[in-house]
Amino acid sequence: ILNVEQSPQSLHVQEGDSTNFTCSFPSSNFYALHWYRWETAKSPEALFVMTLNGDEKKKGRISATLNTKEGYSYLYIKGSQPEDSATYLCALPRAGGGADGLTFGKGTHLIIQP
Amino acid sequence: DAGVIQSPRHEVTEMGQEVTLRCKPISGHDYLFWYRQTMMRGLELLIYFNNNVPIDDSGMPEDRFSAKMPNASFSTLKIQPSEPRDSAVYFCASSLDLRLSGYTFGSGTRLTVV
Repeated sequence: ILNVEQSPQSLHVQEGDSTNFTCSFPSSNFYALHWYRWETAKSPEALFVMTLNGDEKKKGRISATLNTKEGYSYLYIKGSQPEDSATYLCALPRAGGGADGLTFGKGTHLIIQP
Repeated sequence: DAGVIQSPRHEVTEMGQEVTLRCKPISGHDYLFWYRQTMMRGLELLIYFNNNVPIDDSGMPEDRFSAKMPNASFSTLKIQPSEPRDSAVYFCASSLDLRLSGYTFGSGTRLTVV
């Protein structure tokens, strides 16, 4: 069983502030890491897929970094807006090799306060 | 493309009844996944298919659950007989790749067993 930990569980941020949160995973047998954004009453949407240690991806005000040696990824949101309110999920294949689909963390629930 | 299409959106059924959830993946996606979302366990992978063939069903809770993919454009998840503890949101997702491409999720089916 793959242990994917996300912290914090929830986060309240003032509009305009920047924020970040963490996904932790076992560093052994790493293959890939996914970030998803899940708005209330919708379905999860893929943000990034990351594979290389030191990788950094960016989409608008959202960016992510990856450290496979120590087993963590950060998601950053710059200048938070109300539309950023969502649950952010990270996911990894259940094992480094073999035929495994994604195991998801419980997510960080982000609320942007106007 | 219309995305991943699931039906029904909501299903309320009585304990003991058979329930069938349906999914149409994105055309050209070789992988199809069934996930279940609960408050306690988050998003859990139940089963996935590659080119219509079931590859990993280790997440299927018990024999009451079964899934089929008779062709590349249709999959079903069946629960027979249903129990109140099966109440959850069931998501179907499809992808070009098992680990390196983001998954596209359907809107989900909210199942309530009373």
